[in-house]
Amino acid sequence: DAGITQSPRHKVTETGTPVTLRCHQTENHRYMYWYRQDPGHGLRLIHYSYGVKDTDKGEVSDGYSVSRSKTEDFLLTLESATSSQTSVYFCAITRSGQGFAYEQYFGPGTRLTVT
Amino acid sequence: AQSVTQPDIHITVSEGASLELRCNYSYGATPYLFWYVQSPGQGLQLLLKYFSGDTLVQGIKGFEAEFKRSQSSFNLRKPSVHWSDAAEYFCAVGAVVGNKLVFGSGTILRVKS
Repeated sequence: DAGITQSPRHKVTETGTPVTLRCHQTENHRYMYWYRQDPGHGLRLIHYSYGVKDTDKGEVSDGYSVSRSKTEDFLLTLESATSSQTSVYFCAITRSGQGFAYEQYFGPGTRLTVT
Repeated sequence: AQSVTQPDIHITVSEGASLELRCNYSYGATPYLFWYVQSPGQGLQLLLKYFSGDTLVQGIKGFEAEFKRSQSSFNLRKPSVHWSDAAEYFCAVGAVVGNKLVFGSGTILRVKS
């Protein structure tokens, strides 16, 4: 257990509305990630962060923005939700230290439905 | 760019039978390789990892994987499958920039009694 929580766990929203998902970690890890999971696609990286206020895009970043104003929280925002953003969203962290390079640990996920 | 291929979308095995899930990767240097498992409605759990050294690595729940550089493969195995192993399995390779992982599309394992 890497002390990762996600909120909300489930959300239904309407097309065109803004949505913010929150990832919270309790262990002071530097790297945090947002993925989306869709059948047949595995997990695809949306954005990631390598420190407070330091973020970068992943492979499917269009329509998403992120913010990290403190180490423990990484927010994912859908500025104007579309039906194609219906998905399960996972947050992850990378543990620091010897032998932990690239090893990621995942939160429980947020199921988002855009109607 | 790194990539991972899991050629089997679904696999069905009988309980007690052996299991092998295939994973092929594309990466220019020695890769960091991982297998994750996801039970229905759950997050991903790390099963095992390969960084360097012994090419046969042991993981949790009785799983093992073998790194074969010549075949660019990292196949997951288990000698005797239990019904509780039914889940989706993901192979991943580590990318140098950003401590990122690139995932395969997953293999769904069904266990029949």
